[in-house]
Amino acid sequence: KAGVTQTPRYLIKTRGQQVTLSCSPISGHRSVSWYQQTPGQGLQFLFEYFSETQRNKGNFPGRFSGRQFSNSRSEMNVSTLELGDSALYLCASSLGAGRAREQYFGPGTRLTVT
Amino acid sequence: AQSVTQLDSQVPVFEEAPVELRCNYSSSVSVYLFWYVQYPNQGLQLLLKYLSGSTLVESINGFEAEFNKSQTSFHLRKPSVHISDTAEYFCAVSDPTNAGKSTFGDGTTLTVKP
Repeated sequence: KAGVTQTPRYLIKTRGQQVTLSCSPISGHRSVSWYQQTPGQGLQFLFEYFSETQRNKGNFPGRFSGRQFSNSRSEMNVSTLELGDSALYLCASSLGAGRAREQYFGPGTRLTVT
Repeated sequence: AQSVTQLDSQVPVFEEAPVELRCNYSSSVSVYLFWYVQYPNQGLQLLLKYLSGSTLVESINGFEAEFNKSQTSFHLRKPSVHISDTAEYFCAVSDPTNAGKSTFGDGTTLTVKP
């Protein structure tokens, strides 16, 4: 089985712009979670989608949003980018409801905001 | 609410020495426990998991972890480390009563020196 894929792998944006990141989960996985990883804050949970519905949400401002499509692929969007949004954004997939929630991570998208 | 505390942010050891990475958790319900490893410029990979049954779980590359319910701990150990074990290690808990919501620790950087 192919692993979790994330596109693009690297991105450079300017303050005030918006960005969309994409994640394709492992085939058969219905849950997709997004995390932000920075040296100062560590790994922080953004949100989780299951069957196109947001199931859990972390403590991030409304500039961060996401969605999931019927094929389980997910996108996250960050509007009005700030310098502090520079981070590695990780996507993880899991089988979903009723499972032990071991997660399979993609390689991440490295976002740099200048 | 659940939380995870990794007691050491940095652990330097010499090659072939034993190592223990400590993880304590707090939760009002029974949880599932995981250790993930992150190599430089990569996403996280599942190292091992505790779901139920034997409190000692092992990975294929020589790591083991022991679930201690009374001490709410899930420490990771390896009797003899290699240079290639240098990475960041994350402890995580998953709450099966809350759609499997996962909480990660801040990570421990293991540096193996020759």
